[in-house]
Amino acid sequence: QQQVKQSPQSLIVQKGGISIINCAYENTAFDYFPWYQQFPGKGPALLIAIRPDVSEKKEGRFTISFNKSAKQFSLHIMDSQPGDSATYFCAASTLNNAGNMLTFGGGTRLMVKP
Amino acid sequence: GAVVSQHPSRVICKSGTSVKIECRSLDFQATTMFWYRQFPKQSLMLMATSNEGSKATYEQGVEKDKFLINHASLTLSTLTVTSAHPEDSSFYICSARAGGHETQYFGPGTRLLVL
Repeated sequence: QQQVKQSPQSLIVQKGGISIINCAYENTAFDYFPWYQQFPGKGPALLIAIRPDVSEKKEGRFTISFNKSAKQFSLHIMDSQPGDSATYFCAASTLNNAGNMLTFGGGTRLMVKP
Repeated sequence: GAVVSQHPSRVICKSGTSVKIECRSLDFQATTMFWYRQFPKQSLMLMATSNEGSKATYEQGVEKDKFLINHASLTLSTLTVTSAHPEDSSFYICSARAGGHETQYFGPGTRLLVL
């Protein structure tokens, strides 16, 4: 059972545009929602993360919007640049003593056209 | 951010041999380390979770006798793929988390190709 569903699978955006990636989760026990960026042949790198006590978090051009009642969260990349072309993964976990295992979404391959 | 390294970055081996992959947290003590496998154009699949000094906890479907995990210190975990076969060819990625912190920091990954 896929607990975190991510869409779209792929996304093409023009330079300067806004890239929007959506995720939905099922487990209401999740209380930590990070986004990772992965370039080909590299490990994922943490972009930004949010806890459910806030509805939005912004860091530079990256913003997470969180809707607890809908069990959805999204990543917005403002002023998208060709260098943002990568695969983006949303994830969710429960922060407890069990180790903070991450459940990943399926990934979104973003291409920003110059 | 914290730095996690992996060695080797890529390895090619013959079927039936064993391969060891090292994961190190360079500037923090990792109380918990995770091992993932990623097939081309797919998401990361958690294989196992290991806490320093304890036996690893394997995810369902992952053979613990085939994928040996050792987390002997707060900065080093190893994954040994025993008797590797072509279907074990994949991208193996570790991550590490310091105690009391929520963030997992990922290593650069190891590309394994079994001929």
